[in-house]
Amino acid sequence: DAEITQSPRHKITETGRQVTLACHQTWNHNNMFWYRQDLGHGLRLIHYSYGVQDTNKGEVSDGYSVSRSNTEDLPLTLESAASSQTSVYFCASSETGGAAETQYFGPGTRLLVL
Amino acid sequence: AQSVTQLGSHVSVSEGALVLLRCNYSSSVPPYLFWYVQYPNQGLQLLLKYTTGATLVKGINGFEAEFKKSETSFHLTKPSAHMSDAAEYFCAVTWYNNNDMRFGAGTRLTVKP
Repeated sequence: DAEITQSPRHKITETGRQVTLACHQTWNHNNMFWYRQDLGHGLRLIHYSYGVQDTNKGEVSDGYSVSRSNTEDLPLTLESAASSQTSVYFCASSETGGAAETQYFGPGTRLLVL
Repeated sequence: AQSVTQLGSHVSVSEGALVLLRCNYSSSVPPYLFWYVQYPNQGLQLLLKYTTGATLVKGINGFEAEFKKSETSFHLTKPSAHMSDAAEYFCAVTWYNNNDMRFGAGTRLTVKP
């Protein structure tokens, strides 16, 4: 079955370190998204991509970067981790199309920055 | 700016009782509206969505929601709660040609036996 996976599921790191969270989908979806989930805020969009070599900033992109070298993967990099980036991170994907498309979510990565 | 407000961060109902989770949106253009459910330690799963057409939308697990433009609302209902409905529920909005989905803060539903 097609799926979307994230790794690692849990990560502890130190302030200032570079961290990369992986997201891999096997649906062959063109659109991929990264969100962070914080108590009281729901999910907020970090970055998104409409296809290979395409990346766009979302609502809370500062301190994060993404790159899209193939259809299946959209890794999220924290250039210099900060305690404010402690959160649960979700990757999602959707088929080519407009905003009415359903997004399919991965299981999440819980990140703790000490 | 487009946004979503979910009234009530926690809702508790008895098994068999009506479930009503409230969602109001703010949008200057016609919205697309979604309800997602999140079970513990899992990602989000789509319950239902409104894009165009019929304003009463039926979803999985017996849930439904009605788009009311005049009230800018998209409340989620289920006639009879089941223990398995205990989860966190998120309302979300996007709009034409824009994939920047905005989520509400979420409502945690507890179902008492």
